Amino acid sequence: EAGVAQSPRYKIIEKRQSVAFWCNPISGHATLYWYQQILGQGPKLLIQFQNNGVVDDSQLPKDRFSAERLKGVDSTLKIQPAKLEDSAVYLCASSFAGGNTGELFFGEGSRLTVL
Amino acid sequence: AQSVTQLDSQVPVFEEAPVELRCNYSSSVSVYLFWYVQYPNQGLQLLLKYLSGSTLVESINGFEAEFNKSQTSFHLRKPSVHISDTAEYFCAVSFSGGYNKLIFGAGTRLAVHP
Repeated sequence: EAGVAQSPRYKIIEKRQSVAFWCNPISGHATLYWYQQILGQGPKLLIQFQNNGVVDDSQLPKDRFSAERLKGVDSTLKIQPAKLEDSAVYLCASSFAGGNTGELFFGEGSRLTVL
Repeated sequence: AQSVTQLDSQVPVFEEAPVELRCNYSSSVSVYLFWYVQYPNQGLQLLLKYLSGSTLVESINGFEAEFNKSQTSFHLRKPSVHISDTAEYFCAVSFSGGYNKLIFGAGTRLAVHP
């Protein structure tokens, strides 16, 4: 079974530039998550989708971050314009719909460096 | 609001020694508790979880954790570690009705030395 795919793995940009990350979840997983992991901290949920609808985006900085999940499959997370404090690893995860089992399947992450 | 505290950022230990990674949580509602592991250059993966029932839960590779409601803790233990256990370990909590929204601790880096 293929895992959660993310790209690019690494990205270096200058502040005020834009960047986009892509995620393809495990086939059949209705729920998709984007987490931000800053160095030395645990992952923080940015946005959670159920199919193509948003379940939770309370911690997404909506003035600069946006995410979409068209057709309820893959997803894109965009940052525009980037700030220095956006330097982090962006993790995508997916899970089966419903319940609260806590079993999320994570991709390897996209590491962003903002100079 | 829920929060998770991992008391040790790094734990060095010799191979075959026992280890305990500490995790405390704060919540005003019932919680579910998890340990995730991140091996070098890999994504996070679920190690074990407590949802209900027995407060002692085990993983397939010898780790165990005990849910202690009175102390609001979910410490992870292993009686004898291997070099291959070197990884970062994250404690996480979700809550009833939270629809799988996980709140993570800052992580504990376990370094097993020969």
